[in-house]
Amino acid sequence: IQLTQSPSSLSASIGDRVTITCRASQDVKKFLAWYQQKPGKAPVLLISSASNLRGGVPSRFSGSGSGTDFTLTISGLQSEDLATYYCQHLLTYPYSFGQGTKLEVQ
Amino acid sequence: QEQLQESGPRLVKPSETLSLTCNVSGASMRTYYWTWIRQSPGKGLEWIAHISHSGKTNYNPSLKSRVTLSVDTAKSHFSLFLNSVTAADTAIYFCARDDTVGNFDLWGQGIPVAVSS
Repeated sequence: IQLTQSPSSLSASIGDRVTITCRASQDVKKFLAWYQQKPGKAPVLLISSASNLRGGVPSRFSGSGSGTDFTLTISGLQSEDLATYYCQHLLTYPYSFGQGTKLEVQ
Repeated sequence: QEQLQESGPRLVKPSETLSLTCNVSGASMRTYYWTWIRQSPGKGLEWIAHISHSGKTNYNPSLKSRVTLSVDTAKSHFSLFLNSVTAADTAIYFCARDDTVGNFDLWGQGIPVAVSS
């Protein structure tokens, strides 16, 4: 299963609403997760099952979608959100990740 | 505090075997799957394989012929062995915990491994 994220990179301002999309090459139902990776660090799980916010993750992060089209939204961008964001499907082995969306904060 | 920590050689010669260990602290090895993921500029994040506390494994077909995992619950660690390495295996290798449905909710810091003579 191939996951295609768009855009590959984007620049946004503090307070902006940011949307990242992930498209799957086949139906993955809601078996999709989102991760945040800051430079030099390991990824951190933000959202599971397409829309379930993990504990400790700020509420400005949200996820939606099912089937082949998914979105990650950051409502009210903060400077600490500078990172690369990845989607990952969990439908079948092998799990795979999108190519990433690099978010720059202006 | 739950933590994962990778260890092993950071330089491996072509055709040799890459061997890494992930030490698990502050968490039981039961219930979860223990996973290896790598990240390279060319291939992004790539799921390699995982193993349960009982030794049940699943492998990425792209690497299955060269990968072996092992687990030692008494020592709270699990290991990755990747044989016949080439420059294409140069990457940052992460160990991670899979909550059994495929969410990676705990990660090690990652260890960079270069394949070079």
